[in-house]
Amino acid sequence: DAKTTQPTSMDCAEGRAANLPCNHSTISGNEYVYWYRQIHSQGPQYIIHGLKNNETNEMASLIITEDRKSSTLILPHATLRDTAVYYCIVRAFNFGNEKLTFGTGTRLTIIP
Amino acid sequence: EAGVAQSPRYKIIEKRQSVAFWCNPISGHATLYWYQQILGQGPKLLIQFQNNGVVDDSQLPKDRFSAERLKGVDSTLKIQPAKLEDSAVYLCASSPSTGAYEQYFGPGTRLTVT
Repeated sequence: DAKTTQPTSMDCAEGRAANLPCNHSTISGNEYVYWYRQIHSQGPQYIIHGLKNNETNEMASLIITEDRKSSTLILPHATLRDTAVYYCIVRAFNFGNEKLTFGTGTRLTIIP
Repeated sequence: EAGVAQSPRYKIIEKRQSVAFWCNPISGHATLYWYQQILGQGPKLLIQFQNNGVVDDSQLPKDRFSAERLKGVDSTLKIQPAKLEDSAVYLCASSPSTGAYEQYFGPGTRLTVT
């Protein structure tokens, strides 16, 4: 699976959009971009995933650049409950190979 | 629907002792995973089951760690004997099948080895 690079930490004001970048310059054509987050003392929670098109769900939007070498997770109206560590993971969709390889992620702090 | 259940939530043992963790996945989920998360790091996969068969245990320290999933539902992870470096949060996750996009994680068991 391709390696990802994320900033160690970020702050965002409550009510503003939080934009979390991820670099995955060695991504292969069959690899998806996944985002999970981990709130303190909880297990990770799936947020969203995408291959090459931008994706949106009730939690967030995922913007993937045309060359697929980077992506941005957008939380449109951040709340205090969005304070968490956010993990960007790149993984090929192979049946039987389900391993999620987590890095150290970005610690996002929402400021009141 | 009920989430992934794990017990105990916390455990403190001395080195060289044994410990076991239990996981009950979401009903109907065929795939079950155990991850180890050391403080300050992301989770690392230890073992993956598909029903009651092992799919991937390449990162499981087999000299001291063992896991089973009897009847393809509940699972236990055992450490025997424990070392100081085993202090971590042990997370269980499940997904409906192989190839599913989303893994559902439990709250984890925090193990402290003294």
